[in-house]
Amino acid sequence: QQQVKQSPQSLIVQKGGISIINCAYENTAFDYFPWYQQFPGKGPALLIAIRPDVSEKKEGRFTISFNKSAKQFSLHIMDSQPGDSATYFCAACGTGSARQLTFGSGTQLTVLP
Amino acid sequence: EAQVTQNPRYLITVTGKKLTVTCSQNMNHEYMSWYRQDPGLGLRQIYYSMNVEVTDKGDVPEGYKVSRKEKRNFPLILESPSPNQTSLYFCASRVPGQGFNEQYFGPGTRLTVT
Repeated sequence: QQQVKQSPQSLIVQKGGISIINCAYENTAFDYFPWYQQFPGKGPALLIAIRPDVSEKKEGRFTISFNKSAKQFSLHIMDSQPGDSATYFCAACGTGSARQLTFGSGTQLTVLP
Repeated sequence: EAQVTQNPRYLITVTGKKLTVTCSQNMNHEYMSWYRQDPGLGLRQIYYSMNVEVTDKGDVPEGYKVSRKEKRNFPLILESPSPNQTSLYFCASRVPGQGFNEQYFGPGTRLTVT
């Protein structure tokens, strides 16, 4: 079964610090790697996504780093803020007609003021 | 406002009592899907639909049914709920096709089966 492994399960960071969440995948038949952000009581929302032919993508304080040879990708949140406190899911998008998303297990991020 | 709506948001039921969770989207999306979210397991896809009258199993379809009679609606049916179906459920929709198209999630339905 396709898998995306995510770590850590939980993360506590001081305001202004850097939050780093890591994911690794096994199946090579993925062609997009999105990250979703979920606040309590809400559905996940797309944060940022990257294609495997790009090593890094930055949007504001959020950066995805992608290592195709290692089958790993990570989310970096620079200058973390209390408002970033949420659950983050990495995902991998399959190449089939359904383009199914396979999600990681999630990371609960807490940014202390 | 473009959105995916789900009802009910919270539901407590007993084992074996049939229930339906409704999902509706107003974005004219052809693709819709259902996920369940469990601690430590992330989101797992239950069923998806590529278009009206076209549905297919996801990773965890056992114990669930779906139907897609209209483009905007994609109800999730539990014919005989069991305690292991206690979970947080999300409906989602997106534009299908090549490339990466953002998937929009509903607010979730928290189901407890006793």
